[in-house]
Amino acid sequence: DTAVSQTPKYLVTQMGNDKSIKCEQNLGHDTMYWYKQDSKKFLKIMFSYNNKELIINETVPNRFSPKSPDKAHLNLHINSLELGDSAVYFCASSQRHREGGYTFGSGTRLTVV
Amino acid sequence: KQEVTQIPAALSVPEGENLVLNCSFTDSAIYNLQWFRQDPGKGLTSLLLIQSSQREQTSGRLNASLDKSSGRSTLYIAASQPGDSATYLCPRKLVFGQGTRLTINP
Repeated sequence: DTAVSQTPKYLVTQMGNDKSIKCEQNLGHDTMYWYKQDSKKFLKIMFSYNNKELIINETVPNRFSPKSPDKAHLNLHINSLELGDSAVYFCASSQRHREGGYTFGSGTRLTVV
Repeated sequence: KQEVTQIPAALSVPEGENLVLNCSFTDSAIYNLQWFRQDPGKGLTSLLLIQSSQREQTSGRLNASLDKSSGRSTLYIAASQPGDSATYLCPRKLVFGQGTRLTINP
């Protein structure tokens, strides 16, 4: 039973489209995160949610909008996709905010053409 | 702003060697520290979690230490194997460094 699951694993879409990536964790954690890993393999935090509340919102275009319907889910919606959005997006969760013990999903590879 | 530096950036050694990977960060606050590995095209696999009250953790051939006063953590890999080839990461308060890309040659 996967601890942090993301769907889809692969997403190929055209510029200008709107897409969503879903994330679910069954670990009972109260904090969830979205990371972006670009072509240089650097992982950068985008958002974190603690008990459904937005805690961290790094310098991310407002075309990216996270939504947390409950503690076990954190979805990422992206409007008007651009070529530069192509990357691997990772979801993660932890019991407490920023205190380690992170569990990562397997990633969603987004390709914008 | 928090920064994480990992040294070396890349390391290629023959199988069987003992290795030391270094991670340094810019704060000495009391936070846990976790080591991960990432295989090419894959997600992150947790290796060890050092609680803020601990100085080290061991799992099999891996041993990680944490020195909060100097802002450093070290991952020691004993008797390295080709399957250890991966990128090793040590995020600190949600910030990742560039990682150490390790290659173990048979």
